[in-house]
Amino acid sequence: EIVLTQSPGTLSLSPGERATLSCRASQSVSSSYLAWYQQKPGQAPRLLIYGASSRATGIPDRFSGSGSGTDFTLTISRLEPEDFAVYYCQQYGSSPNTFGQGTKVEIK
Amino acid sequence: EVQLVQSGAEVKKPGESLKISCKGSGYSFTSYWIGWVRQMPGKGLEWMGIIYPGDSDTRYSPSFQGQVTISADKSISTAYLQWSSLKASDTAMYYCARPTVDFHSAFDIWGQGTMVTVSS
Repeated sequence: EIVLTQSPGTLSLSPGERATLSCRASQSVSSSYLAWYQQKPGQAPRLLIYGASSRATGIPDRFSGSGSGTDFTLTISRLEPEDFAVYYCQQYGSSPNTFGQGTKVEIK
Repeated sequence: EVQLVQSGAEVKKPGESLKISCKGSGYSFTSYWIGWVRQMPGKGLEWMGIIYPGDSDTRYSPSFQGQVTISADKSISTAYLQWSSLKASDTAMYYCARPTVDFHSAFDIWGQGTMVTVSS
């Protein structure tokens, strides 16, 4: 089973700042089958990025994903008030699919 | 509109059985996998397993194999997650979700979640 480790656990930033979230895999993620999700309190997760770097439908271009192999990054170029939430990475290339433990982006 | 609608919140006692549901609409139910994801209170997401309603091919995470059963009834476009004997540690929000294309795809459609509370 591939273990995904996200860092940092919490990111305290102000609106307008840049957020950089990391997701490291215990072994290589095949074909860059890595996704990022955003989850707000009381809501289901929402897909942001798939295939490591492709934005899902309707996702603003301030969200971008990069990386390959074992190291992946989600970048939010300029934080908007609605971006403060918890973010999860997921690998779906190997069974079982697995999620990281999450990074909370909070208002500083 | 493509959507997954889950059954309502449940409150059960330890040892009881339970089956929760996830109804798909707006797409060909038999052509897409449906997965189940657990989220314990205040915790992260855990991938439990996935089913292909077209032929009932089912895969489980080793962490959940033998603990739950995933099934589907394609005649009514509904997937299920069931327990034969609930434990307090099964208390969680459970989401169903549909991958974008196939098994090796991210989940782009999510149900609203079903909260299961197990308490004596």
